[in-house]
Amino acid sequence: NAGVTQTPKFRILKIGQSMTLQCAQDMNHNYMYWYRQDPGMGLKLIYYSVGAGITDKGEVPNGYNVSRSTTEDFPLRLELAAPSQTSVYFCASSYSNTLNSNQPQHFGDGTRLSIL
Amino acid sequence: AQSVAQPEDQVNVAEGNPLTVKCTYSVSGNPYLFWYVQYPNRGLQFLLKYITGDNLVKGSYGFEAEFNKSQTSFHLKKPSALVSDSALYFCAVVGNNRKLIWGLGTSLAVNP
Repeated sequence: NAGVTQTPKFRILKIGQSMTLQCAQDMNHNYMYWYRQDPGMGLKLIYYSVGAGITDKGEVPNGYNVSRSTTEDFPLRLELAAPSQTSVYFCASSYSNTLNSNQPQHFGDGTRLSIL
Repeated sequence: AQSVAQPEDQVNVAEGNPLTVKCTYSVSGNPYLFWYVQYPNRGLQFLLKYITGDNLVKGSYGFEAEFNKSQTSFHLKKPSALVSDSALYFCAVVGNNRKLIWGLGTSLAVNP
């Protein structure tokens, strides 16, 4: 059972380049999330989605875009990479609706992104 | 304001000794509380949760957590620490807006 799969695992970008971080889950979860993790700063929510075709901003959405065309996939796009976006990015999913928020999130193993 | 605090950046414990990783929260009403663990170069893994009922919750890998409503705490515990428990631990709470609020994490080091 694959769970949440993120690709690539590592990437180095130059300033101004663009890229898409891929995330796929095979658990038929409605909710999906993108976080960034910086040392000592915990997890910051970038974007989330409550189902196919529906996305919403989290705490730190600037410089990022997402789409959710299928239940399984939730790619994160960086259009103009900046050094401040150097981070570890985690995708997560959960089975949850507005009446039942007690379901845990399942995480991928992250994409380590450096922008030079 | 809704918040979660993990007051210790790092906890050191000897192998075989009991361990406690602390978490306090500020959320009105009845909270949903979670603990996650992150091993090096891996994503977070769910350990346990408190929704309602018994204040002592048992989870994966021998961990347990005690919900204390009067102290607004949800401390993670294990009776006998293993070197393999060394990892980063995150506490989280579902806030009044049904969104998850994360603590900043506590690094646990278990010394042989």
